[in-house]
Amino acid sequence: AQSVSQHNHHVILSEAASLELGCNYSYGGTVNLFWYVQYPGQHLQLLLKYFSGDPLVKGIKGFEAEFIKSKFSFNLRKPSVQWSDTAEYFCAVKRSSSASKIIFGSGTRLSIRP
Amino acid sequence: ETGVTQSPTHLIKTRGQQVTLRCSSQSGHNTVSWYQQALGQGPQFIFQYYREEENGRGNFPPRFSGLQFPNYSSELNVNALELDDSALYLCASSLDNQGNSPLHFGNGTRLTVT
Repeated sequence: AQSVSQHNHHVILSEAASLELGCNYSYGGTVNLFWYVQYPGQHLQLLLKYFSGDPLVKGIKGFEAEFIKSKFSFNLRKPSVQWSDTAEYFCAVKRSSSASKIIFGSGTRLSIRP
Repeated sequence: ETGVTQSPTHLIKTRGQQVTLRCSSQSGHNTVSWYQQALGQGPQFIFQYYREEENGRGNFPPRFSGLQFPNYSSELNVNALELDDSALYLCASSLDNQGNSPLHFGNGTRLTVT
């Protein structure tokens, strides 16, 4: 069965540190990839997505993610985090052939020390 | 624009009972998806509705059913509630049923089954 793995359950960083959150998926076909974020007290919202083309995609708030097909990975990065980046981050995958089903990872909670 | 709204925000039910959760999609969105998020997990896809018809379904039993109305609002019904149904139920609307446009999530309904 298709699955999405986020190995870091909780990451704690200081402001200005660099961030990388891991995401691996298990499906071998063509996929669409997403990162969603949930800030405290808010609803889930899209951070960035990859459908095709340049495997390095840029999202809102300075985040970027790189799709490495050979590693089945779509890691999220930010060169310098801010306290306001404290949130829960979810990686998600959709088979290109599936119209509707998006599979989410279990999430990574990011805490930033001011 | 009005975002996705869900009601009620919290609900307590007894095992064996039935429950109906409601969702109003974002203005202009014709597709609604429902997700179940257990504590410490990512959202799990239940099903999607597009133009009043089920457009895809995850690994949930038939006692999970839904409806979409002509105004694109939606209901999730769960019969014969079990303790494991306790979770946050998320509704998400989108502009298309192909997964090409972002999911816009509501704040969810927290269901507790005792």
